[in-house]
Amino acid sequence: QKEVEQDPGPLSVPEGAIVSLNCTYSNSAFQYFMWYRQYSRKGPELLMYTYSSGNKEDGRFTAQVDKSSKYISLFIRDSQPSDSATYLCAMRTGNQFYFGTGTSLTVIP
Amino acid sequence: GAVVSQHPSWVICKSGTSVKIECRSLDFQATTMFWYRQFPKQSLMLMATSNEGSKATYEQGVEKDKFLINHASLTLSTLTVTSAHPEDSSFYICSARRASGNPEQYFGPGTRLTVT
Repeated sequence: QKEVEQDPGPLSVPEGAIVSLNCTYSNSAFQYFMWYRQYSRKGPELLMYTYSSGNKEDGRFTAQVDKSSKYISLFIRDSQPSDSATYLCAMRTGNQFYFGTGTSLTVIP
Repeated sequence: GAVVSQHPSWVICKSGTSVKIECRSLDFQATTMFWYRQFPKQSLMLMATSNEGSKATYEQGVEKDKFLINHASLTLSTLTVTSAHPEDSSFYICSARRASGNPEQYFGPGTRLTVT
């Protein structure tokens, strides 16, 4: 079993839709949870960073962590074509980072 | 901000030659830098972790004699692909962690290597 599981998609939604991206994990030692956005042929960009369970909101983005279910989500409200990218979840325990495979998202105008 | 640059952004080289890729943290000091490789439509594959002033730690299956990593200062790490072969063609991405404050990784824009 992989440490981090993420559905690769692709996911295609109309502009304005609410997008839900998810990852599951198996290691209960993970303490920090991140979401990165990666545009084609570019390096990943840190979007959200959370520690422990709960929600964190930043503009149109909300990151949610449920440690009891070992499940994290990223919600994008009012999605825009510029949100079209690959979204990677990542988790950290100590100095060890684990990345999901990424979900490819396309927002159709 | 936390800006990481890479140079070059794109390089083509002939089989058998060596290529050096630079990774710089522009506005912060990075005690740790990571080197990743990414194939099309696949996730990041960690190649090695480098700490300033010490030898890099390579992931299983990564040849340390082929992928030479040097982290000579708190703002610069280099990856040299020696005796490159076409199968080394890939997207190489570095990331850096701050020496203090937010411990997360900040990624560079990547370097596309094509070996002919």
